[in-house]
Amino acid sequence: SQKIEQNSEALNIQEGKTATLTCNYTNYSPAYLQWYRQDPGRGPVFLLLIRENEKEKRKERLKVTFDTTLKQSLFHITASQPADSATYLCALQRAGGGNKLTFGTGTQLKVEL
Amino acid sequence: DADVTQTPRNRITKTGKRIMLECSQTKGHDRMYWYRQDPGLGLQLIYYSFDVKDINKGEISDGYSVSRQAQAKFSLSLESAIPNQTALYFCAAGTGVTGELFFGEGSRLTVL
Repeated sequence: SQKIEQNSEALNIQEGKTATLTCNYTNYSPAYLQWYRQDPGRGPVFLLLIRENEKEKRKERLKVTFDTTLKQSLFHITASQPADSATYLCALQRAGGGNKLTFGTGTQLKVEL
Repeated sequence: DADVTQTPRNRITKTGKRIMLECSQTKGHDRMYWYRQDPGLGLQLIYYSFDVKDINKGEISDGYSVSRQAQAKFSLSLESAIPNQTALYFCAAGTGVTGELFFGEGSRLTVL
């Protein structure tokens, strides 16, 4: 069966360090992969989209990589700040699937002073 | 103004009651979605609609129904609520094949 795995354990890092979150998937051939941020009690907010033929995408302090051979995406936040503390969700979409996304369960990031 | 607005934000009801959650969007997105979020399970798709005349079941549609009253409005109904439908419900809207989704702030439903 299709499976999207994100580390369920919270990631704690120090301010200024780079946070790296992982999204692994099995039995899935996504055409697009998206990352969202979710704060407690709030709706997810879109951050980045990367296509299957793209290796890397950047936006300000954010970087996403997409390795279809390893079936893995890495999400990096450089120079992390306490305000980056949130849960980060990856979502996959098949080609021709409209934007019907399948979400991972998310990884909670805590950035400490 | 928020792109996607959900009402009510919080609702407590009893088993067997009919509940409607409403969603409206202001940006003209053609596609709208209802998701349910439970701790440890992530977001699960209940129903989605690509235009006013198009309604599709998602992964967990049993016990739910939807209505797309207009391009901007998409409501979710629980005809006879049961306690395991207690969850946080999100409406989302989007446009195009690869576009991102814009989520509402969520409707927290508790069924006693």
